[in-house]
Amino acid sequence: GAGVSQSPSNKVTEKGKDVELRCDPISGHTALYWYRQSLGQGLEFLIYFQGNSAPDKSGLPSDRFSAERTGGSVSTLTIQRTQQEDSAVYLCASSLALGFGPGTRLTVL
Amino acid sequence: GESVGLHLPTLSVQEGDNSIINCAYSNSASDYFIWYKQESGKGPQFIIDIRSNMDKRQGQRVTVLLNKTVKHLSLQIAATQPGDSAVYFCAENAGGTSYGKLTFGQGTILTVHP
Repeated sequence: GAGVSQSPSNKVTEKGKDVELRCDPISGHTALYWYRQSLGQGLEFLIYFQGNSAPDKSGLPSDRFSAERTGGSVSTLTIQRTQQEDSAVYLCASSLALGFGPGTRLTVL
Repeated sequence: GESVGLHLPTLSVQEGDNSIINCAYSNSASDYFIWYKQESGKGPQFIIDIRSNMDKRQGQRVTVLLNKTVKHLSLQIAATQPGDSAVYFCAENAGGTSYGKLTFGQGTILTVHP
């Protein structure tokens, strides 16, 4: 079956603009994880959704970052007023025991 | 803060050799560990996991060893193939309210020469 899909695959934006990154989890999976991967910081946890429980947002680096999950399926990660240090690959997974989607490479100019 | 780290950033082996990738962790509360493989342009993919109540787990051509006394984790790949060339990450999880939050090591680049 289909794995996790993410869109867009690449996003280039200007500093100060808002961006939205999308994650489509594996059908039927109730968990959803966002991580980011950057050269300087490696792989970092951002946020974790599990069913209808309140998400664990403890990894979000600032209040410019937010995420929602509509209908327990698709998730959108929003970064407001992007900064150059936000440049990274943003990865999504719906099962840590399977792995991550291909990611969205975000470049902030 | 506590972190998971890898001693060797690169490992180069010949096809057919066995490979061993090491990882040190510092959080004594971690009770779940995962090894991931990441190929260029892809997200990390699960290889094998182990819980802290075990010291060894085997998969297809891979074995993970856990030494809680010295907080050390290793991934052994038997009969390494060129397709095994990738970056390998260890990750730890402390469970409980931290479930879902993996702490990753920096990664080891494995290169397999034909």
